[in-house]
Formats: sequence, C-alpha cells, structure tokens
Amino acid sequence: DAKTTQPPSMDCAEGRAANLPCNHSTISGNEYVYWYRQIHSQGPQYIIHGLKNNETNEMASLIITEDRKSSTLILPHATLRDTAVYYCIVRVETSGSRLTFGEGTQLTVNP
Amino acid sequence: DSGVTQTPKHLITATGQRVTLRCSPRSGDLSVYWYQQSLDQGLQFLIQYYNGEERAKGNILERFSAQQFPDLHSELNLSSLELGDSALYFCASSPPRLGGSTDTQYFGPGTRLTVL
Repeated sequence: DAKTTQPPSMDCAEGRAANLPCNHSTISGNEYVYWYRQIHSQGPQYIIHGLKNNETNEMASLIITEDRKSSTLILPHATLRDTAVYYCIVRVETSGSRLTFGEGTQLTVNP
Repeated sequence: DSGVTQTPKHLITATGQRVTLRCSPRSGDLSVYWYQQSLDQGLQFLIQYYNGEERAKGNILERFSAQQFPDLHSELNLSSLELGDSALYFCASSPPRLGGSTDTQYFGPGTRLTVL
C-alpha cells in the first residue's frame, strides 16, 4: 500500500468547513483513497473512499487531484462531535485486505 | 453502532495470565479482522479470518492466537501476558465483496486490556 502523509493536527471552528489534506505521491493506478476516523478510544469509523473522481456522501466529500497524488477530505459543517483522529489510507480494493493506519490528523473542532 | 460487538469491554489481569477476547461480526459479514492499538504503536493489524479460515497475518505475536467459529464469531486468545500487551483490541468485519460493493471494514467498540 502507498504511504500517506497527513498533518499531525488541525483546528476548525464549529459550523465551518474542515478541510483535511493527505499526500499520497506514490499511489498506484489501482489504489483507492480511504478515509476513516477514530473518536477518542472508540472503534474507527469508515467515512468515504474514492479512486479518481470526487465523491460525496452524507458524512463528507472527498476531492482527489487529477494526478491522484493528493486528496482532501471535507467536512462541510464541522460539529464538536467531529473532533477525532482522521486517517487517510491508500489501498488496493481487494476483498478482505487489511487496513494500514498511519498517524492520522487530530482534528479539533472548537466552539 | 456499527453492528460489530466485542466482549468484554474492559479486562484487567496479571502478567503471565491468559485471556480470551470475543467478537461477533455484523450479520452477513464473513471476514473478521483483529487490530491492536497501543499508545506507542498506533493501530496495527494482527490477523484476519474469512469464513472460518485464516486469511492473513500481520504483526501477531506467537503468544497470540485467534479462530473463527462456524457461526462466524471470532476469539482472540492472548497468553503469557506481559505489561506491553496492555492495549485496545479492536475487531472489525467486512461483507463478502460482490461486484461493485465496497470493501469497508466496520469496527467494534473494542476491548481495553490492562495487564498489571
């Protein structure tokens, strides 16, 4: 799996958009970008994933650059409950493959 | 609520002891994964089972073993426990991937193991 680089921490004001960047310059053509988050000591939670097109679901949007070397997770209206560690993971979407977690970004949403 | 259940929630034991952690996957999921999260190592993959068979191994110590039963629940056995085994242990499950479905893993709430 390709290595990812994320800032260790970010702050965001409640109600504003949170934009979390991830660099994955060695990504291969068949690797997807996945985002998970972990609210303090709880089990990680799947957020979104994509291959090359931008994706949106009820939780977030994922913007992947045209060269696929970086991506941004967008939480459009951050709330205090979005305070968590966010993990960007690049992996081949084969059935049953492990997740390799890096350090992630600690997002703190402030009132 | 992810639909994955883990018991017990907390476990406190002494060095040298043996414990068993239990995981019930979401209904219909055939894959079960075990992960360990300690303060200094982060989230690390231990082992995966698929429909009762071991599928992949990660950084799992020889003192640790796991199995998946016919009803698809899984157990992680940790023996000869050391202080360094204190960690959060998470189980995750994923559905069989049928054309177009995502390979998403759903995590349980974890078991916090404290070895004294």
